[in-house]
Amino acid sequence: QVQLQESGPGLVKPSETLSLTCVVSGHSISSGFYWGWIRQPPGKGLEWIGSISQSGTTYYKPSLKSRVTISVETSRNQFSLNLTSVTAADTAVYYCAKEIRRGAFGSWGQGTLVTVSS
Amino acid sequence: DIQMTQSPSSLSPSVGDRVTITCRASQRISNYLNWYHQKPGRAPNLLILDASNLQSGVPSRFSGSGSGTDFALTISSLHPEDFGTYYCQQTYGTPYTFGQGTKLEIK
Repeated sequence: QVQLQESGPGLVKPSETLSLTCVVSGHSISSGFYWGWIRQPPGKGLEWIGSISQSGTTYYKPSLKSRVTISVETSRNQFSLNLTSVTAADTAVYYCAKEIRRGAFGSWGQGTLVTVSS
Repeated sequence: DIQMTQSPSSLSPSVGDRVTITCRASQRISNYLNWYHQKPGRAPNLLILDASNLQSGVPSRFSGSGSGTDFALTISSLHPEDFGTYYCQQTYGTPYTFGQGTKLEIK
């Protein structure tokens, strides 16, 4: 059973960079599938941020593309999200997840709340 | 981006009721439509893949239908644990987009 766990700071200052890591257990990232990040502002809906393959191929939401980098470390069985120049609008619960098929997320982490505030 | 519109935004059925939630895409997406269920404070759970394929472990009272632009999620007989918010998602193209959600509050 694959498990995912997000980690990173819960508070980020405006204009700084949000950095999160997702550690995967129970499944080797190297064996395939895409891995994604999805966020959910408090009380609002879900927003796909981007996805990465085990070989490092990435797909990003165009409106976030200039600020987002998703990377993978197969040796540590983890992948990461960097979001630069954050504002209050980036405050959200951030989820990492495993695609079971193109864009369909079958396994999710528990989510981590990141608040952007000075 | 492909816009996904769900209706209704909320409803308050009773246990045992048959419930249908609809989702409309702003362009044709074949059957690349998934449904998720999210309980408060929890991550979403994938219920249905490709419009009608029930995921392993999901009760058979859930079913999905539709193709093209119009889709539906039906719960044949509502159970108390079915409360929460339901989201549709298109995976026809990137960016993958979700509906705004339908909040189900059990009466």
